[in-house]
Amino acid sequence: EAQVTQNPRYLITVTGKKLTVTCSQNMNHEYMSWYRQDPGLGLRQIYYSMNVEVTDKGDVPEGYKVSRKEKRNFPLILESPSPNQTSLYFCASSLFSDFIQGGTRNTGELFFGEGSRLTVL
Amino acid sequence: AQKITQTQPGMFVQEKEAVTLDCTYDTSDQSYGLFWYKQPSSGEMIFLIYQGSYDEQNATEGRYSLNFQKARKSANLVISASQLGDSAMYFCAMRETLSGGSYIPTFGRGTSLIVHP
Repeated sequence: EAQVTQNPRYLITVTGKKLTVTCSQNMNHEYMSWYRQDPGLGLRQIYYSMNVEVTDKGDVPEGYKVSRKEKRNFPLILESPSPNQTSLYFCASSLFSDFIQGGTRNTGELFFGEGSRLTVL
Repeated sequence: AQKITQTQPGMFVQEKEAVTLDCTYDTSDQSYGLFWYKQPSSGEMIFLIYQGSYDEQNATEGRYSLNFQKARKSANLVISASQLGDSAMYFCAMRETLSGGSYIPTFGRGTSLIVHP
């Protein structure tokens, strides 16, 4: 089954304690991205990766790190979490632009993980 | 400036009625894609419908249709015959390909839809 898997789904931690949220996809997608969702603000992009060893900042990268050593994995690292990083986090992946192959159209849609709800006390 | 604007924070609709969720976008790209996602209270993000900028016809997927008006830069989602299960947050999103090849999906702030019985 094609999917994006995030872990942990729920986490309560304390200020300053390093944590990593893992993300893995089994669809051979080049593009992977992390978003955070906060009430009234929608989804804001933290970091994204166009391919292995290629990462770039999104709109709200402060306080986060990522790495893309393998195509399938894109972990999000909070080196020193703070309460303002309490949020719902989504990992997502996609192929690039839309194309038609064998009669099937790829829209370049994002496939999302189930979300990781993080609370920093 | 926001690239995706959803002006309706909340919408209410009667069951079996149609509802339109507004979305306007801003891009200088010639080739871009527009998406709608649904987020029920359980939290997962569900892809609903896609419209490519070069598509001449409005996209449809079952009860969902996308009213694409390119000149006005709008991509409204129309849900026909609303069901109680349609109650959710709805996000409009745009995929642009920027110079240098960066690929940036951008999301609006969402519209909360409540379907009344």
